[in-house]
Amino acid sequence: DVKVTQSSRYLVKRTGEKVFLECVQDMDHENMFWYRQDPGLGLRLIYFSYDVKMKEKGDIPEGYSVSREKKERFSLILESASTNQTSMYLCASSLGGNNEQFFGPGTRLTVL
Amino acid sequence: GQQLNQSPQSMFIQEGEDVSMNCTSSSIFNTWLWYKQDPGEGPVLLIALYKAGELTSNGRLTAQFGITRKDSFLNISASIPSDVGIYFCAGPEWNYNTDKLIFGTGTRLQVFP
Repeated sequence: DVKVTQSSRYLVKRTGEKVFLECVQDMDHENMFWYRQDPGLGLRLIYFSYDVKMKEKGDIPEGYSVSREKKERFSLILESASTNQTSMYLCASSLGGNNEQFFGPGTRLTVL
Repeated sequence: GQQLNQSPQSMFIQEGEDVSMNCTSSSIFNTWLWYKQDPGEGPVLLIALYKAGELTSNGRLTAQFGITRKDSFLNISASIPSDVGIYFCAGPEWNYNTDKLIFGTGTRLQVFP
């Protein structure tokens, strides 16, 4: 079974703090994705990576950056957290070629 | 751009009833995926469809890839309380070989005992 884990289930941070969200997958998947999910707005893609050190912007990259130094790990970074970044953050990975993405359990981030 | 319209937005049903929901696209898809998200959790892949007309089952769930390749359907038979959650359809974005997906807006299912 594919396993995607996220470093925290719940996180509370203060405005202006630097925030790291970590995602690890154990199935040697090529692609990894970061989404945020907000009521009424569905799943929105922030960034994705199709290879180590490769990244592409998704639909809403502003205020975020990512890092993929190893194949199994994809980090989402909020350089200076703001209250409008309070959300559910979901990481996913896929093997490549069959479109099937597998999601982690999510991190609910609250920025005060 | 590509869009996925999912209906209904929400459903409130009695335990034991059958459920139908669908997803339509403004463009042709070569893959349809159905996910379920439990409250507070990440989406879980239920069924993947790869061929027009394909009908695939996973327990009480059955999904179909529409013949026009612009729609897909998910049916749940004899619903139970643990079917509660949000069901999403998804399909691949154009011209991408990186498994980038477009997601529907979801159907929220509530099951009453």
